[in-house]
Amino acid sequence: GQQVQQSPASLVLQEGENAELQCSFSISTNQVQWFYQRPGGRLIGLSYIPGMKPTGKQTSSTVTKGRHSSLTISSSQTTDSGTYFCVLPPNQGGSAKLIFGEGTKLTVSS
Amino acid sequence: AQTIHQWPVAEIKAVGSPLSLGCTIKGKSSPNLYWYWQATGGTLQQLFYSITVGQVESVVQLNLSASRPKDDQFILSTEKLLLSHSGFYLCAWSPPTGYEQYFGPGTRLTVL
Repeated sequence: GQQVQQSPASLVLQEGENAELQCSFSISTNQVQWFYQRPGGRLIGLSYIPGMKPTGKQTSSTVTKGRHSSLTISSSQTTDSGTYFCVLPPNQGGSAKLIFGEGTKLTVSS
Repeated sequence: AQTIHQWPVAEIKAVGSPLSLGCTIKGKSSPNLYWYWQATGGTLQQLFYSITVGQVESVVQLNLSASRPKDDQFILSTEKLLLSHSGFYLCAWSPPTGYEQYFGPGTRLTVL
């Protein structure tokens, strides 16, 4: 089945620095969704399929091509700390199982 | 605008006791509905999904069941809780023709 790997597993930044989070998967798709989750909190969608208006942070952007997607967080702030997940849609063939990556834990310090 | 509510916000239950968690979506017709479970510090595991009233598909069992009694309501339940059921339960919806996920605020369950 579809496999998803996120890197790095964790990342520490100083406020103002940029970060690039990676998501690799075994089957090519452009319908990758990125989420941000504060500890124990709600998942906020950051982006979805090309052409759709992204929600959430305006200082984040995503690029998805082939079997790889990246999320760039610009000018990071302490409030960006949390875990970032990428999610893949179901495989073809009738399954509706979405696949979540293990997440990247981001810590932004002031 | 669509809104998604989950109840309760948090629950502390004893091992062996029953559980019922609810999810309601307002402002969207015939959404696809999903239940997820997240262990502390872990990733999300999809449990169930439903594309229509009365129809629920299981992805991972975890000794839980789900039902969709109304178009806008999704229920997660079990008759006997296990310690391993502790975690964060999230409900989500997607448009009928897509998979973009919109999550509820979640319910934190502690089983003692």
